[in-house]
Amino acid sequence: DVVMTQSPLSLPVTLGQSASISCRSSQSLVDSDGNTYLYWFHQRPGQSPRRLIYKVSNRDSGVPDRFSGSGSGTDFTLKISRVEAEDIGVYYCMQGTHWPPFTFGPGTRVEIK
Amino acid sequence: QVQLVESGGGVVQPGRSLRLSCAASGFTFKEFGMHWVRQAPGKGLEWVSIIWYDGSNSYYADSVKGRFTISRDNSKHMVFLQMNSLGPEDTGIYYCVRGYYAGYPPFGLWGQGTLVTVSS
Repeated sequence: DVVMTQSPLSLPVTLGQSASISCRSSQSLVDSDGNTYLYWFHQRPGQSPRRLIYKVSNRDSGVPDRFSGSGSGTDFTLKISRVEAEDIGVYYCMQGTHWPPFTFGPGTRVEIK
Repeated sequence: QVQLVESGGGVVQPGRSLRLSCAASGFTFKEFGMHWVRQAPGKGLEWVSIIWYDGSNSYYADSVKGRFTISRDNSKHMVFLQMNSLGPEDTGIYYCVRGYYAGYPPFGLWGQGTLVTVSS
């Protein structure tokens, strides 16, 4: 199974500042079709997860452009520029290239300083 | 309204069974694969199972293989998760999640979740 790791696991941020979350996979996520199936999700306290990014860098409809995804192979990053209060919660990366199983990272908890 | 609504959770004793349901609406259900994803209390997300759009194929996490069975009824826009031989490690919120269809990347629609508690 592909193991997903994230760092940091906890991220205190100042409102208006930027934040970055790293996600690494135990093997390359480049599929035989040339796509890289790496997703990012955000889960606010008491809510269901919400997909933010699909295939590394494609932002979902309604997701502010403050969120951006990048990376390739085994190393990926979610960047939040100008953090707002609504951005708190836990962020998960997930791979959908080598399945089953689909595997999630352990999550990064973002909190306001 | 595009949504998924889970039901069927509750408190169950170890070793017993439970069947979760998920009702889909607002989209062409029969064209999409469907997933179940769970989350233990205070923990991260764990993928559980996937079923093909037509029910012809399914896969499971090793942690539930042989105990859980996913199924669907496209005429009723429903997907199910039959859970047998439940143990405390199965406690958590179970989310129904929309899978892939052409032009629609998977995991873009989640239900509100249904809580399963396995306890004596």
